[in-house]
Amino acid sequence: GENVEQHPSTLSVQEGDSAVIKCTYSDSASNYFPWYKQELGKGPQLIIDIRSNVGEKKDQRIAVTLNKTAKHFSLHITETQPEDSAVYFCAARFSGSARQLTFGSGTQLTVLP
Amino acid sequence: SAVISQKPSRDICQRGTSLTIQCQVDSQVTMMFWYRQQPGQSLTLIATANQGSEATYESGFVIDKFPISRPNLTFSTLTVSNMSPEDSSIYLCSVALDQGNTIYFGEGSWLTVV
Repeated sequence: GENVEQHPSTLSVQEGDSAVIKCTYSDSASNYFPWYKQELGKGPQLIIDIRSNVGEKKDQRIAVTLNKTAKHFSLHITETQPEDSAVYFCAARFSGSARQLTFGSGTQLTVLP
Repeated sequence: SAVISQKPSRDICQRGTSLTIQCQVDSQVTMMFWYRQQPGQSLTLIATANQGSEATYESGFVIDKFPISRPNLTFSTLTVSNMSPEDSSIYLCSVALDQGNTIYFGEGSWLTVV
């Protein structure tokens, strides 16, 4: 079945450094790739998304890149701050699905002050 | 985006009982989904809640265990029936907006079964 693999599972960076999280997906016809941030005790918050007709999207310190040929997409956070510490999930919407998402396994990001 | 409210936000339940979780959205939405997130794990889709018809369940989830109602375009309920400790999870309501292209989540209902 459809699958999304996410790496790394944990990531620690110094405040001010950049963080990169990568995901690969199995269905080449997938068309939508969102990223969610989940803080402790809260639901997932959509932070950025990208569609299959775009290669890169940026929103302030956050950017997402998509490589359709290699079937992978990445989240880039620059100038990290302690409040960026959270679990980040990537997801993909596979062709033929009725808007449902398949999620990666999550990355625990810790930004050290 | 949308404001998605879930009740209860947290509960401790006795083994063998059932609990109904409510999800209220501040706008009419066609598509609503229920996800489960087991402790320390990722999100798994339970079912799609269809207005006016039965929910569509994913593999491994059945209606007898997780009955769902969707009486209108702003409200849905998920019942977790005959609970066991393995049902201890976060249950998340989500909606599709922007012509179904963007998915938002509620804050979740954190259930502990003892």
